[in-house]
Order: sequence, then C-alpha cells, then structure tokens
Amino acid sequence: SQQGEEDPQALSIQEGENATMNCSYKTSINNLQWYRQNSGRGLVHLILIRSNEREKHSGRLRVTLDTSKKSSSLLITASRAADTASYFCAYYDYKLSFGAGTTVTVRA
Amino acid sequence: DAGVTQSPTHLIKTRGQQVTLRCSPKSGHDTVSWYQQALGQGPQFIFQYYEEEERQRGNFPDRFSGHQFPNYSSELNVNALLLGDSALYLCASSSSRGATDTQYFGPGTRLTVL
Repeated sequence: SQQGEEDPQALSIQEGENATMNCSYKTSINNLQWYRQNSGRGLVHLILIRSNEREKHSGRLRVTLDTSKKSSSLLITASRAADTASYFCAYYDYKLSFGAGTTVTVRA
Repeated sequence: DAGVTQSPTHLIKTRGQQVTLRCSPKSGHDTVSWYQQALGQGPQFIFQYYEEEERQRGNFPDRFSGHQFPNYSSELNVNALLLGDSALYLCASSSSRGATDTQYFGPGTRLTVL
C-alpha cells in the first residue's frame, strides 16, 4: 500500500506555466523527498526538505513542508517539455516510502 | 563516476519460473535497497542489504530473496513467478557513512511474467 498520497494524480499544462502538486503523509517524518521518473525508468532525486524547514528552493523547484498538516507541495516554475514526467514524494524511515505519484504533461 | 547500474533492462518469463536481477551500486556506496514498482504505482520497498546481510525487509513473501557480494553489488531473486510479479524492479544505493536517507536509483529492470 502507498504511504503517501499525491494530488492531483495527473496534471496537463502549457509550456511556461507553473505546475503545483501536493503530497500528504500519515506519520511523523525527519524529512520529505521528491523524485522525478521519466517514462517508467529510474527515479531521479530532486530535493530533500527536513522537518525543521518550511520551504526550500532548487533552481525552478520550490518545495514547502507543513508538518502540522502532514503535507508538502512541489512547485515547478516556467515548465518545459522536458519536465514531462511522474513526480513522487517519499519519506525515509530506514526505507523510502513513496506515494502513488503525479503525472505531469507539459504541452509545447 | 558510474551511477547505479542494473541488468538486464528487460526480461520476459513465464509463471512458475525463477528470475535473477542484478545491481551494481554507485561508487563509494555500500548499501543496496530493492523496490518493486507496479504500473501506475509508486515504488514499494522489498529489502535492503548492508555488509552482505539483509538488514530490513518490506511486506514481500519469501519467494523474494537477495544477496549482496563483497564488492557491494547485489542480486534479487524471485522464485515461482506469478503474473502479479510483473513490474519495474528498481535498485537504489546509499552510503552508510553519509546521508543514508538519500538514495540513488538505477534505471530499473522491467520484468514481464506471462
């Protein structure tokens, strides 16, 4: 069973627009991570935010974490066709526990 | 610096057969974890190997077994294959001396059971 839930399940946007996806989880965490997966291949680590952080930036990525609501969001700004992928949130407790993912399609 | 590598890329087996998947961790990493990803789902943790021992295990039957070699590479074995074992199998490596919560994934092995 999935340990987290991403919302929405799928997202279609125009190139240049922003994409926002949310993640909810059910347990206390030390950190939350976001991964990208292209075409059902390997996962690429995007960003890690620790439980004592509220917001973190990496390039065009912005992640927020609200531990009181057990939720996180990933914002991709100025999206590109290459951002088309599935995005997963995951938390680590000796293993990574993933949500079901959000599939993002960026239209040219 | 080679990342995590997995072989084979694709594999087709029939029900009841056995399969072995292989993984070489990123250089400098000593811990290997295996995940199963069914179509449309997120990866599910199978088990983790460190110092050639299974250190943690997820909710998978004993048909799933593994091994880690002295060079830190690892194998995943699945016996008596079922149709439901069709999935992408991902290997991830990490270092026990660094940020253990950051794992690097290989490209995966796509297993199809007919």
